[in-house]
Amino acid sequence: EPEVTQTPSHQVTQMGQEVILRCVPISNHLYFYWYRQILGQKVEFLVSFYNNEISEKSEIFDDQFSVERPDGSNFTLKIRSTKLEDSAMYFCAGTQGVGNSGANVLTFGAGSRLTVL
Amino acid sequence: SQKIEQNSEALNIQEGKTATLTCNYTNYSPAYLQWYRQDPGRGPVFLLLIRENEKEKRKERLKVTFDTTLKQSLFHITASQPADSATYLCALDRNSGYSTLTFGKGTMLLVSP
Repeated sequence: EPEVTQTPSHQVTQMGQEVILRCVPISNHLYFYWYRQILGQKVEFLVSFYNNEISEKSEIFDDQFSVERPDGSNFTLKIRSTKLEDSAMYFCAGTQGVGNSGANVLTFGAGSRLTVL
Repeated sequence: SQKIEQNSEALNIQEGKTATLTCNYTNYSPAYLQWYRQDPGRGPVFLLLIRENEKEKRKERLKVTFDTTLKQSLFHITASQPADSATYLCALDRNSGYSTLTFGKGTMLLVSP
């Protein structure tokens, strides 16, 4: 079964450093998302991406965050200057779009754990 | 903004019993309500969804109900197994199309042999 692949699985960085998290979506997916989950907290929406553009973003997704799909396959989330509170699990997710159900069902990757020291 | 409440305490049940998990929301009724399973250190995995005009959906040992008057969904796992132990997340989809999902914090289910 196709999977969403995320790398790295775990990254430790110093506060103020730039981090790039990578995702290889399922090939027939059209809509892509980044969510994050702080330890013990709920899964929170960061940004959605369609047709090489951001379609929606949350308040969390401020100027220090950016997303790109540089080569038409990989999908990246960049955090320019990491803060301690950026420590979380970051999930990439994708969807073909509205299926037969009419709903937006997401396929998530296994996540990238970011630890900011 | 939409608030989603799920039982914060873990639910402990014996193997073979039915587990019932609750999801309550406060504001708008979503077009769809979805349930995901999350294992430790892993991403959520989609299980089942129900539309706002549906009362009940079933899939194998899983059943979801949706009461828009009570603003509540119940998620049932019948004949539970230790392998069902995980955190179960409720997610609301505001409307059809490509809207983002809003997740609850989840309820941890522990099924003892």
